[in-house]
Amino acid sequence: DIQMTQSPSSLSASLGDRVTISCRASQTISRYLNWYQQKVGRAPKLLIYAASTFQSGVPSRFSGSGSGTDFTLTISSLQPEDFATYYCQQSYSIPYTFGQGTKLEMK
Amino acid sequence: QVQLQESGPGLVKPSQTLSLTCNVSGGSISSGGYYWTWIRQHPGKGLEWIGYISYSGGTYYNPSLQSRVTISIDTSKNQFSLKLSSVTAADTAVYYCARGVQVYATHYDHWGQGTLVTVSS
Repeated sequence: DIQMTQSPSSLSASLGDRVTISCRASQTISRYLNWYQQKVGRAPKLLIYAASTFQSGVPSRFSGSGSGTDFTLTISSLQPEDFATYYCQQSYSIPYTFGQGTKLEMK
Repeated sequence: QVQLQESGPGLVKPSQTLSLTCNVSGGSISSGGYYWTWIRQHPGKGLEWIGYISYSGGTYYNPSLQSRVTISIDTSKNQFSLKLSSVTAADTAVYYCARGVQVYATHYDHWGQGTLVTVSS
C-alpha cells in the first residue's frame, strides 16, 4: 500500500493567516492526489483533485500543488469556516489511501 | 444534485455480518463514469477505503478486508450495498458511501452523511 504522511498533524493559526499543509507519498503517485476538508460530525468535502484542480464551488483561497511524492494544500487567508481537519488521498493505486489528517485550530 | 444516503443496523454482534445500503438520488447509478465506493472512519481516526463497484458490477476491494467484503449494486433500485462478514470490535466505525469520479485522479465528489456501526454483544 502507498503510505500518505501529512505534516503537521495539527496546526494553530489565526484569521487571515496563510496556511500550508504538506502531504508526502511513500512512492511516486504522479498527480493522483486529492484534498478533502472534514468538519466534526460531517462527511469529508472534496476541495482539490488531481493535485491542483479546484472542485466546483470551492473558494479560490484554497490551492493545491505538487507532483511525484510531495504535495501542498495552501489556504491563502484563513476564514472562520476553514477550521477543520484536512486529508490528502492518493488514487494512483488500489487500495486508495488517505493521510492521517491535519487538524487546523484557531489560535 | 446527487445525494447519497446510507442505511442499515447501527449495532451488529461480533462474528455476524454487517450490511449497509446506499441509496442514490438525483442521478442514475447506471450512468458510466463513476465508482460507487464505501469508506469508513474509526472513531476519532482517519479514513479507510473499503472498496468500490462500477455500474457494470466490476469490483475492487482493499486487500486488508478482501476476504470479508462484498459490494453489490442494484440498478433497479438505484442503490449499492456493503456486506462485511465476521465482524469484530475493530470494525466499529462510521461508514460512508461516496461517488468516485472516473477521471485522471479518481476523487470523491459526493458523500453520504455517514452511519455509525457499533460491533458489540
